[in-house]
Amino acid sequence: DAGITQSPRHKVTETGTPVTLRCHQTENHRYMYWYRQDPGHGLRLIHYSYGVKDTDKGEVSDGYSVSRSKTEDFLLTLESATSSQTSVYFCAISRGRVTEAFFGQGTRLTVV
Amino acid sequence: GQQLNQSPQSMFIQEGEDVSMNCTSSSIFNTWLWYKQDPGEGPVLLIALYKAGELTSNGRLTAQFGITRKDSFLNISASIPSDVGIYFCAGPTTTLQGAQKLVFGQGTRLTINP
Repeated sequence: DAGITQSPRHKVTETGTPVTLRCHQTENHRYMYWYRQDPGHGLRLIHYSYGVKDTDKGEVSDGYSVSRSKTEDFLLTLESATSSQTSVYFCAISRGRVTEAFFGQGTRLTVV
Repeated sequence: GQQLNQSPQSMFIQEGEDVSMNCTSSSIFNTWLWYKQDPGEGPVLLIALYKAGELTSNGRLTAQFGITRKDSFLNISASIPSDVGIYFCAGPTTTLQGAQKLVFGQGTRLTINP
């Protein structure tokens, strides 16, 4: 298995609180991605990174920010969590080709 | 934005039956991917298709890249209990920075009765 770890695996938080999810890789891959999975929508891209300090928005980026201060870590922050952000969040890493991308095990976030 | 419509959204079958699912797009993709997601896990790539008309197999799984490049099909023959899960189609788009973003279908949830 690819060396990709998401933390925490489960979290319950209150509306309005900030939340940070972490994706850690040991593969030294250049590209890292954050997706969210919701019933009826499949997975949708939130943000991605193409290098240290280099990030860009995906299709559902509103309410989320990211940071990548070193190759191995990609952080996803919900500045002020809302119930609509209750979801399962997946991190993915890739050296380049999408067929070589690996997904983490996911973080289940519940905003109450 | 690009959208992938996957059908059916769920299937309930008997063990040993064959399964078919498909995915259509509002725009052309040059690559089609099929993933499987087991409960509590992230998606895992099953099959990648690179050319219109291409038919590719992976064990009991067969996938086809539609001629129009706007659709793809996945078939599973002689289903077994470990085939249970959610199957996703996906198409990649490449950014200027070389990142490959994936657009996913809604998924097909497969349930098998023994």
